[in-house]
Amino acid sequence: EAGVTQSPTHLIKTRGQQATLRCSPISGHTSVYWYQQALGLGLQFLLWYDEGEERNRGNFPPRFSGRQFPNYSSELNVNALELEDSALYLCASSLGLGQNYEQYFGPGTRLTVT
Amino acid sequence: AQRVTQPEKLLSVFKGAPVELKCNYSYSGSPELFWYVQYSRQRLQLLLRHISRESIKGFTADLNKGETSFHLKKPFAQEEDSAMYYCALRKAGGTSYGKLTFGQGTILTVHP
Repeated sequence: EAGVTQSPTHLIKTRGQQATLRCSPISGHTSVYWYQQALGLGLQFLLWYDEGEERNRGNFPPRFSGRQFPNYSSELNVNALELEDSALYLCASSLGLGQNYEQYFGPGTRLTVT
Repeated sequence: AQRVTQPEKLLSVFKGAPVELKCNYSYSGSPELFWYVQYSRQRLQLLLRHISRESIKGFTADLNKGETSFHLKKPFAQEEDSAMYYCALRKAGGTSYGKLTFGQGTILTVHP
């Protein structure tokens, strides 16, 4: 069974630009979660999508946004990039809204803002 | 708001020694607690969850609601246990369920 995949592996952007990160969940999973792992800050919850709808949002500014497509894949968009957005962005997927479902993580996208 | 604290950033033990990774949480309701592990050059993966009450790779963790702790223990550490360990909390129900709140992580190094 293929795991969660993310692309690109690495992304280098300049301050003020926009970044788009992509995530494909495990087949059959309808929920996608995004987390930011910044140096010294640990893993922080960003967004949660299920069945195409945003279900929950972490404490991040509106320039962090995303969407989920009909095939359950997801995009995370970061507008007006700032230096502190440099981090590893992890995507996870699970079977859906059931609170007992395990989240499976992807390998991450390393975003560097210069 | 929920919070997870892992007081040790680094923990070093020798092979065969007992190991305990500490996790404390603050949450007013009934949480679901997890331990995730990330081995070198591998993705983050679930090690165990308190509702399963099972032992994985020799590790166990007991939820102590009185002390609001969920410490991870193993009686005899192995070199292959060297990894980054994260404690995480998930609210049971409500509008925030699904979201995992992670601690800062503890890097465990097991020396030969």
